[in-house]
Amino acid sequence: GQQLNQSPQSMFIQEGEDVSMNCTSSSIFNTWLWYKQDPGEGPVLLIALYKAGELTSNGRLTAQFGITRKDSFLNISASIPSDVGIYFCAGQGNAGGTSYGKLTFGQGTILTVHP
Amino acid sequence: DAGITQSPRYKITETGRQVTLMCHQTWSHSYMFWYRQDLGHGLRLIYYSAAADITDKGEVPDGYVVSRSKTENFPLTLESATRSQTSVYFCASSESKRGLVKNIQYFGAGTRLSVL
Repeated sequence: GQQLNQSPQSMFIQEGEDVSMNCTSSSIFNTWLWYKQDPGEGPVLLIALYKAGELTSNGRLTAQFGITRKDSFLNISASIPSDVGIYFCAGQGNAGGTSYGKLTFGQGTILTVHP
Repeated sequence: DAGITQSPRYKITETGRQVTLMCHQTWSHSYMFWYRQDLGHGLRLIYYSAAADITDKGEVPDGYVVSRSKTENFPLTLESATRSQTSVYFCASSESKRGLVKNIQYFGAGTRLSVL
């Protein structure tokens, strides 16, 4: 099946620093999504990417859909304490039929921000 | 409230007991999903459903049963709970219609299940 490798697994940074994380796949994806999970809550969508090469921003967050369609990265600029949480990438490939809506998730990046 | 809700939020049960986790969404989304989240494994798909009365296995379906008699509900049943099923369970829903690119999944707040 499709596999996503997300790195780094965890990050410990100081408030104000920039953060970068990425996901790579052995398969081509048509859609890349980035989610954030706060402690005790479900994942919430941050950014959605639908075209190879697409660069999309949401406030201090910027994400890109890789040209090869096998990778994506997420950058967070000027981190703040509320950025703490687990960040997941997710991708959807070319599966058809009832598998059309399925996503493959990365293992997550745990972000800790020290004030 | 509108959205996707899971119940209960916390559940403690004993090995061998049957447990049902509930998921309800008010968006009329066609697709619904059940995931489990464990340290070191991220989110793993248990079962999903493309529409009422259509369900299919995900990555880790053993020991679980689902049903989807109504579009808005997608209960997950552990027929005979085992300690290895101690986990946090998330339900999600998505429109995911053919020809619609935006396959965004929206998640519930989760159910934390402990099997003793």
